[in-house]
Amino acid sequence: AQSVTQPDIHITVSEGASLELRCNYSYGATPYLFWYVQSPGQGLQLLLKYFSGDTLVQGIKGFEAEFKRSQSSFNLRKPSVHWSDAAEYFCAVLPEYGNKLVFGAGTILRVKS
Amino acid sequence: NAGVMQNPRHLVRRRGQEARLRCSPVKGHSHVYWYRQLPEEGLKFMVYLQKENIIDESGMPKERFSAEFPKEGPSILRIQQVVRGDSAAYFCASSRPGAGSYNSPLHFGNGTRLTVT
Repeated sequence: AQSVTQPDIHITVSEGASLELRCNYSYGATPYLFWYVQSPGQGLQLLLKYFSGDTLVQGIKGFEAEFKRSQSSFNLRKPSVHWSDAAEYFCAVLPEYGNKLVFGAGTILRVKS
Repeated sequence: NAGVMQNPRHLVRRRGQEARLRCSPVKGHSHVYWYRQLPEEGLKFMVYLQKENIIDESGMPKERFSAEFPKEGPSILRIQQVVRGDSAAYFCASSRPGAGSYNSPLHFGNGTRLTVT
């Protein structure tokens, strides 16, 4: 079945440490890929997106993500986490010929000082 | 420069009552999507509408739920005879016409948190 998997429900990192949030998808063709962030009580904000071309994409707030076709992955990274990055992060996929985003279950990021 | 506006932010209903959730898209956006968020389940697609048309309602429960996006006014998600299992955060998103998310990313509202007592 087509799906988006974020294997980590919770991740805790120290402020200043690097971060990687995992996302895997299972779609036949290469879908369009997105990462969103949700702060408590808020809606979702787009961090970055991948459609084609360079497999390393840069987003807002110092985030980047790398598309790896062989692994069906689109992991989100940040070299140095700030306390304000604490939030929930969602990977999302727009399947080829699809008309709606499919979201992963989300990863809650906690930042400790 | 208003984004997607959802109201109310919080809604409490007793079992059996009706819930009406409103969504005003970004000005100029004619595509609206409704998603439901349950704890640890991410966002689940419910329905995709354009002005006066339902394009995809494959995520809508078959009974009690309906959605509309009239020519004038906000999009409405209506839940009749609510049950405790309807308690969730409901998010609306909008986009520009023609291409959906891959040419025009979704803009999300802050959601309506429905609590059924």
